[in-house]
Amino acid sequence: QKEVEQDPGPLSVPEGAIVSLNCTYSNSAFQYFMWYRQYSRKGPELLMYTYSSGNKEDGRFTAQVDKSSKYISLFIRDSQPSDSATYLCAMTPMNTGFQKLVFGTGTRLLVSP
Amino acid sequence: DAEITQSPRHKITETGRQVTLACHQTWNHNNMFWYRQDLGHGLRLIHYSYGVQDTNKGEVSDGYSVSRSNTEDLPLTLESAASSQTSVYFCASSAQTEDNSPLHFGNGTRLTVT
Repeated sequence: QKEVEQDPGPLSVPEGAIVSLNCTYSNSAFQYFMWYRQYSRKGPELLMYTYSSGNKEDGRFTAQVDKSSKYISLFIRDSQPSDSATYLCAMTPMNTGFQKLVFGTGTRLLVSP
Repeated sequence: DAEITQSPRHKITETGRQVTLACHQTWNHNNMFWYRQDLGHGLRLIHYSYGVQDTNKGEVSDGYSVSRSNTEDLPLTLESAASSQTSVYFCASSAQTEDNSPLHFGNGTRLTVT
């Protein structure tokens, strides 16, 4: 079993829809949680960063962490065709640096006009 | 603007050949990383460096080596390329060792080993 599980999709939604992207994990030591967006033929770019449990909002994006369920989510409101990309979750135990960063396999999102 | 550049963008090589992928960053970051991305596996860490002359093995380091002679560059060498090393390779850098410093990725090198 992988440490981080993520549905590969693709997830297809119409423009304006609310999108929910999710990851589950097995390592209870994970404390820092990130979401990266990766466009085709490009490197990942950091979207959201959260520490421990709770919600964090940035514009149309909300990151949610439920440590008791070992479950994290990224919500995208009013989705746009430009949001079409692969979304990678990533997580790491606290104070260990990026050498312990574990990525999910990514969920491909398609937003149609 | 600061950036991280990988070259070449595409490379085709034969089994057994030595291949070097270049990574150059102008962020002046101490920390640099090499990942490979494969379908069904996500990004996996190959090697990383926290400063000049510092190199460390990651999760999938067998068959790869790196050297860090200056802050800007971390070349990745495949000593004897194998078909299992066909992948997309990403270089990344970050400013600090603490977890809240974001990783900046290059746009990748697509390597095919025939």
